[in-house]
Amino acid sequence: GAGVSQSPSNKVTEKGKDVELRCDPISGHTALYWYRQSLGQGLEFLIYFQGNSAPDKSGLPSDRFSAERTGGSVSTLTIQRTQQEDSAVYLCASSSPGVQPNQPQHFGDGTRLSIL
Amino acid sequence: AQKITQTQPGMFVQEKEAVTLDCTYDTSDPSYGLFWYKQPSSGEMIFLIYQGSYDQQNATEGRYSLNFQKARKSANLVISASQLGDSAMYFCAMRENNDYKLSFGAGTTVTVRA
Repeated sequence: GAGVSQSPSNKVTEKGKDVELRCDPISGHTALYWYRQSLGQGLEFLIYFQGNSAPDKSGLPSDRFSAERTGGSVSTLTIQRTQQEDSAVYLCASSSPGVQPNQPQHFGDGTRLSIL
Repeated sequence: AQKITQTQPGMFVQEKEAVTLDCTYDTSDPSYGLFWYKQPSSGEMIFLIYQGSYDQQNATEGRYSLNFQKARKSANLVISASQLGDSAMYFCAMRENNDYKLSFGAGTTVTVRA
């Protein structure tokens, strides 16, 4: 497809388990972003990739969170030893090359993560 | 400090009427961009409109227009001729020139009544 693709769309897991969330950006988009949206709230920035490197990891809430990107394309966000407060919708976005403020970020449909 | 403030948690509007969603922002960067996104109940974030800090004219995209008042640091979204499909959460966001990420407001829920 032409848009940002995220999988799975829904994930239910038990507290303490590890989860992996996947994001496939729009072809040609070198910038990739992960955000988290808790119920009824705005989006919270997690991490930014330019190509395969992550110059800004400032939003990752703890060392249980990590992300990688390979081949300048697909990215995986991993949460280890999940906690109930990790329950949220995780949104991935990508944008075309360039760091001008006018580059809109295009979002995927998100992964709804529920920790039991 | 909060960079984006949306003070209206929810709004009702009659079909075919116009609605204005408020957004104020805080930045010391002279170069920045302001965005509005729509999030229907299905969850996807849909980019609606962009306004640059140096743009002389207010941005328009179809039924969406942005009332940009730079001195007041406000960037209100106007939806004209509301349709039932406009019912959604609307987010204002800002990207500063020396940053990559978007900073989002808390959002405003719009419900269009028939």
